[in-house]
Amino acid sequence: GENVEQHPSTLSVQEGDSAVIKCTYSDSASNYFPWYKQELGKGPQLIIDIRSNVGEKKDQRIAVTLNKTAKHFSLHITETQPEDSAVYFCAASKYYKLSFGAGTTVTVRA
Amino acid sequence: EPEVTQTPSHQVTQMGQEVILRCVPISNHLYFYWYRQILGQKVEFLVSFYNNEISEKSEIFDDQFSVERPDGSNFTLKIRSTKLEDSAMYFCASRQTGDTEAFFGQGTRLTVV
Repeated sequence: GENVEQHPSTLSVQEGDSAVIKCTYSDSASNYFPWYKQELGKGPQLIIDIRSNVGEKKDQRIAVTLNKTAKHFSLHITETQPEDSAVYFCAASKYYKLSFGAGTTVTVRA
Repeated sequence: EPEVTQTPSHQVTQMGQEVILRCVPISNHLYFYWYRQILGQKVEFLVSFYNNEISEKSEIFDDQFSVERPDGSNFTLKIRSTKLEDSAMYFCASRQTGDTEAFFGQGTRLTVV
């Protein structure tokens, strides 16, 4: 089955700096790559996603890049704010099943 | 905005008891999922459900687990004889199609004592 690796497991950044989280996947047939943000006591919420026919996607301060050849994708958050502090999960999907990475705890220091 | 709702938010049960976790997916969605998250760990796939049958299940989803869509709106996860290691957050999710955004519920925290 699909195996998604995510790094780093924790990330502390100064407010205003950028944060980058990287994921790799094993199944070359995966074609949909969402990123979820999970705040304490809540379910995962989609923040951005990318499909395998696109190399990069941006939504305000958040961007995702995908390298299909290398089977890795990354989340970039620019101008980080305290409300960006949360756990972020990457996921890879083939057909209908989402496989998640282990998560990255992001702490934005004021 | 449409949302996936789960009840109860927290369930405490004794080991060996049966529990039923309930979910109401978004109304026009066709794919339904259960995931679980043990405290501090990754979100793990349990089962997917489409067209009134299980489409895929993980190794975790053994004979003590079952899912059902008893009517047009509810989607349930039953654990027949709970074990201590079943303690986790259980998330329901739904998707309109197999490759669109998955919406997650707020989760049910199951504590087995």
